[in-house]
Amino acid sequence: DQQVKQNSPSLSVQEGRISILNCDYTNSMFDYFLWYKKYPAEGPTFLISISSIKDKNEDGRFTVFLNKSAKHLSLHIVPSQPGDSAVYFCAALTQGGSEKLVFGKGTKLTVNP
Amino acid sequence: DVKVTQSSRYLVKRTGEKVFLECVQDMDHENMFWYRQDPGLGLRLIYFSYDVKMKEKGDIPEGYSVSREKKERFSLILESASTNQTSMYLCASTFLAVNQPQHFGDGTRLSIL
Repeated sequence: DQQVKQNSPSLSVQEGRISILNCDYTNSMFDYFLWYKKYPAEGPTFLISISSIKDKNEDGRFTVFLNKSAKHLSLHIVPSQPGDSAVYFCAALTQGGSEKLVFGKGTKLTVNP
Repeated sequence: DVKVTQSSRYLVKRTGEKVFLECVQDMDHENMFWYRQDPGLGLRLIYFSYDVKMKEKGDIPEGYSVSREKKERFSLILESASTNQTSMYLCASTFLAVNQPQHFGDGTRLSIL
């Protein structure tokens, strides 16, 4: 059973517009969430995270929103740039566990010039 | 900057061979992980280790083993390689503390012929 779901395999946006990547989870024990970005032939790079005690975390052009009641989080990129084109993975962690991350299957973002 | 180094970027082996994938991190992290990434499946955890000589199975440990003789080094072993183990293998590490993102190496693209 997939505990972290990214239902959109791909997303295409124009440069300068907002990119919104979505992620849903089923396990209510998850209390820390992360987004990773992955370019081809490179390892995933940590982008931004959010604890379950917050509903928003912002870092420059990147903002993550968490809706615990809906078990949903989203990553907003504003403004989108061609260099943001990559696969984005949502991941979740249970505090006090074994630090195992549970990853979604990823969303491929393409930002068109 | 955290550096996670995987010994090979590309590797080609034959069915039945014993294959070693090496990973070294330079940040004195306690936790180390091995994942495989396949198209449409995201990242799946094979094994992880939270201390020297300690190991725990992830979600897909069958056909693999691991070794952690030194804190900085975590090896993944394919005892008898099979074609279904052709994949991108990713190593990651992190501190044994709350809210710590995992840091990834650049991956090893392994092909089993």
